Amino acid sequence: SYELTQPPSVSVSPGQTASITCSGDKLGNKYTYWYQQKPGQSPVLVIYQDTKRPSGIPERFSGSNSGNTATLTISGTQAMDEADYYCQAWDSNTVVFGGGTKLTVL
Amino acid sequence: DVQLLESGGGLVQPGGSLRLSCAASGYTFSSSAMSWVRQAPGKGLEWVSSISGSGGSTYYSDSVKGRFTISRDNSKNTLYLQMNSLRVEDTAVYYCAKRGERAATEYYFDYWGQGTLVTVSS
Repeated sequence: SYELTQPPSVSVSPGQTASITCSGDKLGNKYTYWYQQKPGQSPVLVIYQDTKRPSGIPERFSGSNSGNTATLTISGTQAMDEADYYCQAWDSNTVVFGGGTKLTVL
Repeated sequence: DVQLLESGGGLVQPGGSLRLSCAASGYTFSSSAMSWVRQAPGKGLEWVSSISGSGGSTYYSDSVKGRFTISRDNSKNTLYLQMNSLRVEDTAVYYCAKRGERAATEYYFDYWGQGTLVTVSS
């Protein structure tokens, strides 16, 4: 079965750029989606189809996908961006989530 | 505004059954595929099952195949998950989620419910 791998944690200073990776076999040939989940809340879609932002998502969130790695980038990270982030792809009629990355802003 | 409201969670013994419901509003329910995604306490997201807008196509994760059944009633704007032969490892918050509209054939989720907790324990 298809697997997506994320680092368990990423730390960033306020105002700096955070990058969260998601790796999978030939992931660049699929669309990758990213969700943000804050404690006690439901997930929120922040990036769809590799690079697109849903309405209401700040411009500091961006995405890329090439080769075996998709990346979620948060520019000018703010304290409110501290959360768990999950990547997701679709493979063989199956939804696949990465294990999640805890982003700490300190 | 799109709203998804889950219900039906609770405490059940191993081997027992439970049916979850998800009431949808704010959009044309029958036009959108739907899914169930769960999250065990302190763990990540795990996809459970998906169903097309008409209900004619269904998909299941290997971990629930043969035990869970997804269905929908488009006349009631409601999604269901019938869970049988429940195991301790099925303990989780269960979210219903609406499929995003920009995908041609694949699934991603543009709206999520608030979740309902299912606890399987003796």
